[in-house]
Amino acid sequence: AQSVTQLGSHVSVSEGALVLLRCNYSSSVPPYLFWYVQYPNQGLQLLLKYTTGATLVKGINGFEAEFKKSETSFHLTKPSAHMSDAAEYFCAVSERGRNFNKFYFGSGTKLNVKP
Amino acid sequence: DTGVSQDPRHKITKRGQNVTFRCDPISEHNRLYWYRQTLGQGPEFLTYFQNEAQLEKSRLLSDRFSAERPKGSFSTLEIQRTEQGDSAMYLCASRLQGIQETQYFGPGTRLLVL
Repeated sequence: AQSVTQLGSHVSVSEGALVLLRCNYSSSVPPYLFWYVQYPNQGLQLLLKYTTGATLVKGINGFEAEFKKSETSFHLTKPSAHMSDAAEYFCAVSERGRNFNKFYFGSGTKLNVKP
Repeated sequence: DTGVSQDPRHKITKRGQNVTFRCDPISEHNRLYWYRQTLGQGPEFLTYFQNEAQLEKSRLLSDRFSAERPKGSFSTLEIQRTEQGDSAMYLCASRLQGIQETQYFGPGTRLLVL
C-alpha cells in the first residue's frame, strides 16, 4: 500500500512570504499525485495534479508543485502567501493502472498566514 | 455541474443508534467513493462503487458499516449500532472513469456520537 508523508503538521508564514508544503510518497512506480485544500467544515477542493508530462504543474490560486521522481516528492509552493490561503492542505497519491481507485492521503498541513 | 452533495451536513446521535448518510455525485460520474476523516488526519478510504457495483469494501471499518448505490446514482452509507469512535467526517467523492483521474469531493457529513 502507498504511504504519504507530509512534513510539518503546522506551517506559519507571513503574508507575502514563500509557501512551501512538503509531500513525500512511497512507491517504486510513480503514482498520480494531487494536492487538495480544505477550509474549515468543508470538503476538499483540488488545487493541482500530476499525472504525466511536465513535472512542474500549476494549479489554482497561484500554487504550483514539482514532481521529483528521484526524491519521491511532490512539494507544493506559492511565491507569495495571501491571508486567504490559510487552510489545511492534503497531499494524495493514487496508483496507476487498474488499482487506480482509491486515494491515499497524507495527514495534512495546516497553513497559518500572519498579517 | 452542481458538484457532489451530501446530506445531512451534521448528525448528532446517541451511542447504539443507526445512522444513514446520503451522497449525490456529479451527474454522469460512474465512480463513487466514501472516505472517513478523523480529527487531525487525512481522509481514509472506505469503499467505492462503479455504477451500482461495489468493487471494493475491504476497507470498511467493521461489519457495522455498509454502503449501497442501488441505481448507480446516489449512494448511502449506513452505520449500525454507532460507537463514540465513529465520530468523524464522512466524505463522498465521485469521478468519471476513463476520462479524468480527479476525484471531486462533497462537503462531508460530520457525525458526533454521544
